[in-house]
Amino acid sequence: AQTVTQSQPEMSVQEAETVTLSCTYDTSESDYYLFWYKQPPSRQMILVIRQEAYKQQNATENRFSVNFQKAAKSFSLKISDSQLGDAAMYFCAYRSKTSGTYKYIFGTGTRLKVLA
Amino acid sequence: KAGVTQTPRYLIKTRGQQVTLSCSPISGHRSVSWYQQTPGQGLQFLFEYFSETQRNKGNFPGRFSGRQFSNSRSEMNVSTLELGDSALYLCASSFSGTGVYEQYFGPGTRLTVT
Repeated sequence: AQTVTQSQPEMSVQEAETVTLSCTYDTSESDYYLFWYKQPPSRQMILVIRQEAYKQQNATENRFSVNFQKAAKSFSLKISDSQLGDAAMYFCAYRSKTSGTYKYIFGTGTRLKVLA
Repeated sequence: KAGVTQTPRYLIKTRGQQVTLSCSPISGHRSVSWYQQTPGQGLQFLFEYFSETQRNKGNFPGRFSGRQFSNSRSEMNVSTLELGDSALYLCASSFSGTGVYEQYFGPGTRLTVT
């Protein structure tokens, strides 16, 4: 069974600085999807970025980028030029591509604090 | 296009009671998944429905059940509520279970069991 691990329960970053959130996963599959979701306090969870395992190029969305290391089964999220609005819980998620197993597996989350 | 909506947003129930939560997916989305979110356990997958059929199920007791209607709206039912069922219940919809289609989450229903 697949698992997703986020080893940092909480992280802090100074406004305008860069922070990296870690995520590791375990799977025997060769093709799958990985996601980072953001859940602001008392607000809806939204997708930040996604990565397809067969694509070697790391995904980038504005100030958000990932470092995808398939062999190491690592999928970290880098937030550049951190803003106060980036403060939230961040969840790493895995989704199989295997037919019949479409469920998402989430990590336990990392709470990001942004210091003014 | 309207987002995923969940009703009610807040609910207080007593142990032993049952509860029904509702989720309306984004128009055109046929897959609806339910999650239980608690501070200690994170997001735990409950089940997923696609075209009125349960396609995946998590490791929850039979007290947790769901269904999906022909318009893709979904309901989740919890019978014989326990204190440990207090949580934020999130619903997420996606266009299809196949492909890369990401999930879009609703605001959640916060259930408190006393």
